[in-house]
Amino acid sequence: GDSVTQMEGPVTLSEEAFLTINCTYTATGYPSLFWYVQYPGEGLQLLLKATKADDKGSNKGFEATYRKETTSFHLEKGSVQVSDSAVYFCASYSGNTPLVFGKGTRLSVIA
Amino acid sequence: DTAVSQTPKYLVTQMGNDKSIKCEQNLGHDTMYWYKQDSKKFLKIMFSYNNKELIINETVPNRFSPKSPDKAHLNLHINSLELGDSAVYFCASSLTGNTEAFFGQGTRLTVV
Repeated sequence: GDSVTQMEGPVTLSEEAFLTINCTYTATGYPSLFWYVQYPGEGLQLLLKATKADDKGSNKGFEATYRKETTSFHLEKGSVQVSDSAVYFCASYSGNTPLVFGKGTRLSVIA
Repeated sequence: DTAVSQTPKYLVTQMGNDKSIKCEQNLGHDTMYWYKQDSKKFLKIMFSYNNKELIINETVPNRFSPKSPDKAHLNLHINSLELGDSAVYFCASSLTGNTEAFFGQGTRLTVV
């Protein structure tokens, strides 16, 4: 079945640093790809998504590009803020099955 | 105007008890899910219902029983609670053919 692998955390960055969280997927066919974010004490919120190869999802300064050749969907942000501290989940969806999540990466941004 | 709502938000109970968690969505979605998030934040699908019918039932002890009285509700009943059931349980919903899932705020279950 489908699976998603993302880099282990925690990741600790200073404010305004550059963020990359790696995510790779395995799937039969071409899944839709997502990044969800979970702020402390809250549920998951969709951050961005891409539904086909070379699509770029973006939201709140975060970006991720669907790379079919490397089966990757890395999350990036040029300048993180303290308010970005959260757990980030990469996920894939192949139509007939529920979302498959990576194990989550905790990001802590310090002022 | 909450999209996916779960109750209760926190649940503390003793081993051996039976408890229920309720989930409701007002998005008009036809598919609902239960996920379990363990202490390491790993999210694992438990059940998936489409139009009130069970579609997916992952390897979950039969002490867990989902019930969907209508398309807008998917409740989770847990019998004979064990310490290992302590986790955060998330309800989610989506529309067939649409890739985005919406999540509830989660229910933190603590079994003592």
